[in-house]
Amino acid sequence: DVVMTQSPLSLPVTLGQSASISCRSSQSPAYSDGNTYLNWFQQRPGQSPRRLIYKVSNRDSGVPDRFSGSGSGTDFTLKISRVEAEDVGVYYCMQGTHWPYTFGQGTKLEIK
Amino acid sequence: QITLKESGPTLVKPAQTLTLPCTFTGGAGVGWIRQPPGKALEWLALIYWDDDRRYSPSLRNRLTITKDTSKNQGVLTMTNMDFADTATYYCVQPLTPGTLDLWGQGAMVIVSS
Repeated sequence: DVVMTQSPLSLPVTLGQSASISCRSSQSPAYSDGNTYLNWFQQRPGQSPRRLIYKVSNRDSGVPDRFSGSGSGTDFTLKISRVEAEDVGVYYCMQGTHWPYTFGQGTKLEIK
Repeated sequence: QITLKESGPTLVKPAQTLTLPCTFTGGAGVGWIRQPPGKALEWLALIYWDDDRRYSPSLRNRLTITKDTSKNQGVLTMTNMDFADTATYYCVQPLTPGTLDLWGQGAMVIVSS
């Protein structure tokens, strides 16, 4: 299985500051169709996960532009600029190229 | 707007079989992911719009996923339930390749004697 390694696992952030989460995959999630199926999900406390980013950098409808995804090869990053209280939760990366699709361990974002 | 809704038992005994239906209002593929309390997400199974089925290699011998498009329903069956299978089970829907566009609210399943 492809191993997705996130860092940090805990991320205390001051309101209004930026936050960055790293996701490293043991194999590249680049697919032969030219797409890289790397996704980011947010899980707020007590809620189901929801997708924020797909194919590395495409933001879902309704996701604030404070959220951005980047990366290539085996290294990917989710950046949150101007963190707000509603951003508290756990963030997961997931590769959707190699079956079984695999998630990172999750990064818990909290407000300092 | 497409929605997903899981149903099924919340309490099962060890060695029993779990049957989890998921009703969706659009799309044609459906999958299942679970999350033990306080832990990360784990893929279980996925069935695409063309009936292509994928299973977690570690759980393959215990899982069966089916769908009935006419009823807009997908069903996951997991045999020989164990205490370690206690988790929230999420129905998910891939509308495009390589991702999970939609998630259900989740169904908490507790394995207890």
